[in-house]
Amino acid sequence: EVDLVESGGGLVQPGGSIILSCAASGFTFRDYWMSWVRQSPGKGLEYVANMNQDGREKYYGHSVGGRFTISRDNDRNSLYLQMNSLRVEDTARYYCARGDNFSGDSWGQGTLVTVSS
Amino acid sequence: FLLTQSPLSLPVTLGQPASISCRSNESLVNNDGKTYLNWLQQRPGQSPRRLIYQVSYRDSGVPDRFSGSGSGTDFTLKISRVEAEDVGVYFCMQGTRWAFGQGTNVEIK
Repeated sequence: EVDLVESGGGLVQPGGSIILSCAASGFTFRDYWMSWVRQSPGKGLEYVANMNQDGREKYYGHSVGGRFTISRDNDRNSLYLQMNSLRVEDTARYYCARGDNFSGDSWGQGTLVTVSS
Repeated sequence: FLLTQSPLSLPVTLGQPASISCRSNESLVNNDGKTYLNWLQQRPGQSPRRLIYQVSYRDSGVPDRFSGSGSGTDFTLKISRVEAEDVGVYFCMQGTRWAFGQGTNVEIK
C-alpha cells in the first residue's frame, strides 16, 4: 500500500526557514515524479513544486519560485522541501503527492506550517 | 490560465444526482493528444484523493456512481446518487500545470 508521511512542519517567524520531509513507502519511489501542494486554512489547493524521477527536472509555482527548493533522495525514499524567506501567506498545510498521469494519485496527510511572529 | 468551477456550493438530497462543472479559459488538449483533466475529492478533515484522471478514468476503488466527462474547455463530474460519504469539497485539476479549480462544497440538504 502506498504511504506518504510528511513531517517537519511547525511555527516559524517571517523571514525564517524550514525543511519539510516526505517519507514514501509501498512503491518504487525512484520511478515516480513527486510533488508538493499546499492548502491555506479553509482555502483551496495550490501547486508548490514538483520534480522528476532523477531530480534533474524541477518546477515551481509562481508564489514560491526562488524561495523554495524541492529535492529528493531516492536511496532514502524521501522528498524534501526547503522553504526560505517565509511569509505569513505561506501558512498552510503542505501535502506531498505521488505523480501519475500528470496528477497526484496518492497524497499524504500533510504537515502544517505556520508563519507568524 | 484559469479553471472555473460551478457551483461553489452544492446542497444535494441523499440519493439524488449531483453535477459539478469545470471550465478552462483555453483548451486542455495536450500536445500528446491527451487531456489531463482530473477530479479530486477532499472529505472533511482528510487529504485530497484523486477520483478521476484524464477526464473520465476512475481510480481504483472509486464507486461507479462517480463519472467524468467533457472535452476541450468544458468538463463535468457527476455523482449519480449522492451518499452521505460523498460530502466534501471537489476540485478539478489540470495536470500539466498542476492548476486547481476553486473547489465545490457538496453538502447534504
